[in-house]
Amino acid sequence: DIQMTQSPSSLSASVGDRVTITCRASQSISSYLNWYQQKPGKAPKLLIYAASSLQSGVPSRFSGSGSGTDFTLTISSLQPEDFATYYCQQSYSTPPHFGPGTKVDIK
Amino acid sequence: EVQLLESGGDLVQPGGSLRLSCAASGFTFNNYAMSWVRQAPGKGLEWVSAISGGGDSTYYADSVKGRFTISRDNSKNTLYLQMNSLRAEDTAVYYCAQGQITMPHWGQGTLVTVSS
Repeated sequence: DIQMTQSPSSLSASVGDRVTITCRASQSISSYLNWYQQKPGKAPKLLIYAASSLQSGVPSRFSGSGSGTDFTLTISSLQPEDFATYYCQQSYSTPPHFGPGTKVDIK
Repeated sequence: EVQLLESGGDLVQPGGSLRLSCAASGFTFNNYAMSWVRQAPGKGLEWVSAISGGGDSTYYADSVKGRFTISRDNSKNTLYLQMNSLRAEDTAVYYCAQGQITMPHWGQGTLVTVSS
């Protein structure tokens, strides 16, 4: 199985900040990497697929990059509605494991 | 609009069984693989199982293999998860999701609690 790690596990930021979350795969997954956002009590929402493709309806302040084993999710200017937990997920093979999550909260 | 509505979650004793359902609408159900993903209280997301659009291929996480069975009824646009020999560690919100690996649409989840 391909295992996923994320860093940091949590971060505190202010509205308007640039936020970067890192995800690493235990082996190369090319660009087969998704990012999801989850708010408390809600289902996850797909933000980015194939490492850098923005899902329809997702604001352009979200972007993804990386390939191989190292990936990044960037929020260019954090908005109040962005405070949530973010998960990466490898889409290279089954089982499509998720990372442990990064919680973004208000500083 | 894609809609996924899970049902069947309940409190069940260890060793018991439960069947979850997920009613789908807003898309051609048999064209899409479907998945179950769970989330234990306060924990992260765990992929559980997936099934191909025609139902001929199924996939399971090691943690549920041999105990859970995924199936679908394409005539009813419904996905199922039969859960047997339930354990305390199966306690979670169970989500159904469109797709086998990349999941663009999710249901709201149904809570399964395994406790005596």
